[in-house]
Amino acid sequence: EAQLVESGGGLVQPGGSLGLSCAASGFTFNVYWMAWVRRAPGKGLEWVANINQDGTEKYYLDSVKGRFTTSRDNGAISLHLQMNRLRAEDSAVYYCARHSGSAFDLWGQGTMVTVSS
Amino acid sequence: SYVLTQPPSVSVAPGQTARITCGANNIGSKGVHWYQQKPGQAPVLVVYDDDDRPSGIPERFSGSNSGNTATLTISRVEAGDEADYYCQVWDSSSDHWVFGGGTKLTVL
Repeated sequence: EAQLVESGGGLVQPGGSLGLSCAASGFTFNVYWMAWVRRAPGKGLEWVANINQDGTEKYYLDSVKGRFTTSRDNGAISLHLQMNRLRAEDSAVYYCARHSGSAFDLWGQGTMVTVSS
Repeated sequence: SYVLTQPPSVSVAPGQTARITCGANNIGSKGVHWYQQKPGQAPVLVVYDDDDRPSGIPERFSGSNSGNTATLTISRVEAGDEADYYCQVWDSSSDHWVFGGGTKLTVL
């Protein structure tokens, strides 16, 4: 069964850094684009970043560009999101998702990130 | 930036039909996808490319897209359909993936 499992969330102070990981299993990871999507408390879903199959093409939400970096390790079958200079408005549940065309057809359960002093 | 507009809430009685709209300029020219998210759970893709259903999604879920409005239709609504629903497209002009604000479906 195809599955995505996120890890690395937690509490961090404004201006701090945090790294998220997503372990994939049950499908051929290196043929799919992958993405990060978040949902802030009381808000809706928001696409954050995505990355192509070999990691050479990446796109970012304007508000995270220059602060967040996504990467992947096809050998370790994992996706990563390095978040720097975190702000209160970055607080959210972060989901790892698999692309199918321009849709997201497989989602992890999410990991919570709280940015607060 | 490309903005998708959804009604904040829709209410429907069990057994009736729910229609959730997603409005945007010329959205009919884009492929629209719909997601269901229940409290504490991950989103689930229920309709993709305007009107296709992933395997395992009931036929009660259908989609349409024309002009400036895309619509998710849920027939014979059940209590278990109560959830937040989101539309989503890829905006090729900005290479951004965009979600609507979400619609809370309440089953009366």
